[in-house]
Amino acid sequence: GNSVTQMEGPVTLSEEAFLTINCTYTATGYPSLFWYVQYPGEGLQLLLKATKADDKGSNKGFEATYRKETTSFHLEKGSVQVSDSAVYFCALYSGGGADGLTFGKGTHLIIQP
Amino acid sequence: GAVVSQHPSRVICKSGTSVKIECRSLDFQATTMFWYRQFPKQSLMLMATSNEGSKATYEQGVEKDKFLINHASLTLSTLTVTSAHPEDSSFYICSARVRTTLPDTQYFGPGTRLTVL
Repeated sequence: GNSVTQMEGPVTLSEEAFLTINCTYTATGYPSLFWYVQYPGEGLQLLLKATKADDKGSNKGFEATYRKETTSFHLEKGSVQVSDSAVYFCALYSGGGADGLTFGKGTHLIIQP
Repeated sequence: GAVVSQHPSRVICKSGTSVKIECRSLDFQATTMFWYRQFPKQSLMLMATSNEGSKATYEQGVEKDKFLINHASLTLSTLTVTSAHPEDSSFYICSARVRTTLPDTQYFGPGTRLTVL
């Protein structure tokens, strides 16, 4: 079956530091890959997505590249801000009989001023 | 962007009672809605998929008689936890999808924290 593994948190960084949150997946076929962000008290919001190998999703300074050869979709940002503090979820959608999203456990990111 | 609301945001109930959680798409019609459950420090687990006007499809291991799902309209789905027990305490999240050429696009509600005493 499908699965997503992402690094455990919390991850604590100083403002303006470089961020990497690792995500690897197992799936049948060619899934679409996503990063969702959940700010305190809010619902999950789509941060970025990629639908095929070598695609790069980007939004709000965050980037992730769909690497089929390593089955990875690592999230990166060059300079984080306090406002980036949130929980980040890596997820995949493979369609077919599995109609929902498969999520990783989430990584709590804490940015200190 | 598309907005999905959930009500209530928090609920505390006694063991043996039933609790209904509503999920509404506020500015679009959702042909499909999903219900997820999230345990502390765990990922979101898909419980069931509901299409408007038809019976929900439950994931393996999810008791359909315990978690009743109704998707009566294109903007409303409800999850009723029947005869709740403390082990049903969890964070329940719904999402909604429009019938588009992008079947992977889902919009999430803010979640409902259920505590069963």
